[in-house]
Amino acid sequence: AQSVTQPDIHITVSEGASLELRCNYSYGATPYLFWYVQSPGQGLQLLLKYFSGDTLVQGIKGFEAEFKRSQSSFNLRKPSVHWSDAAEYFCAVGEGYQLIWGAGTKLIIKP
Amino acid sequence: NAGVTQTPKFQVLKTGQSMTLQCAQDMNHNSMYWYRQDPGMGLRLIYYSASEGTTDKGEVPNGYNVSRLNKREFSLRLESAAPSQTSVYFCASIPDRVTGELFFGEGSRLTVL
Repeated sequence: AQSVTQPDIHITVSEGASLELRCNYSYGATPYLFWYVQSPGQGLQLLLKYFSGDTLVQGIKGFEAEFKRSQSSFNLRKPSVHWSDAAEYFCAVGEGYQLIWGAGTKLIIKP
Repeated sequence: NAGVTQTPKFQVLKTGQSMTLQCAQDMNHNSMYWYRQDPGMGLRLIYYSASEGTTDKGEVPNGYNVSRLNKREFSLRLESAAPSQTSVYFCASIPDRVTGELFFGEGSRLTVL
């Protein structure tokens, strides 16, 4: 069965520290991969996406993600988080109406 | 530059009441979706419309109906609301499958008592 797993429900990091959010998937073909961010009370916004090519993709707000086919993972990273990064982050796999969503990881920033 | 606009933002209903959530996009996108978001469950697709004049069921369509009124507008109707439909509802649009990016509205928080 196709699925997306975000193992961490919550992650707490100090402002200025590095961040890695995990995403693992089970999917039949080489997938399209996405990370979206949801700020409190807002809709979701695309951070970055991977379709093909270079497995390290750059996104908005200083985020990057690396596609590792052998590990079926697409982890999101940021070298130094800011208080404004506090939000919920969703990994998604697939395309269009067939997107499969992870349950989300809530990022909490400690001052 | 409104993007995707949803109304209302908040609504409280009693069990058995009906209501319609409205969604409009001004980006000339072909496809529009309705999702519900529940804690710990990510987004679940209720209905989608691949193009004007077509609608299809998603993962969780029971208890809902939709209308793609024109290219801009896609409404979601609850005919007889149930407490299990308490959720945050998101409308999204997508220009085409290749681009892949979904554009979301700000959500409609619905509580059914």
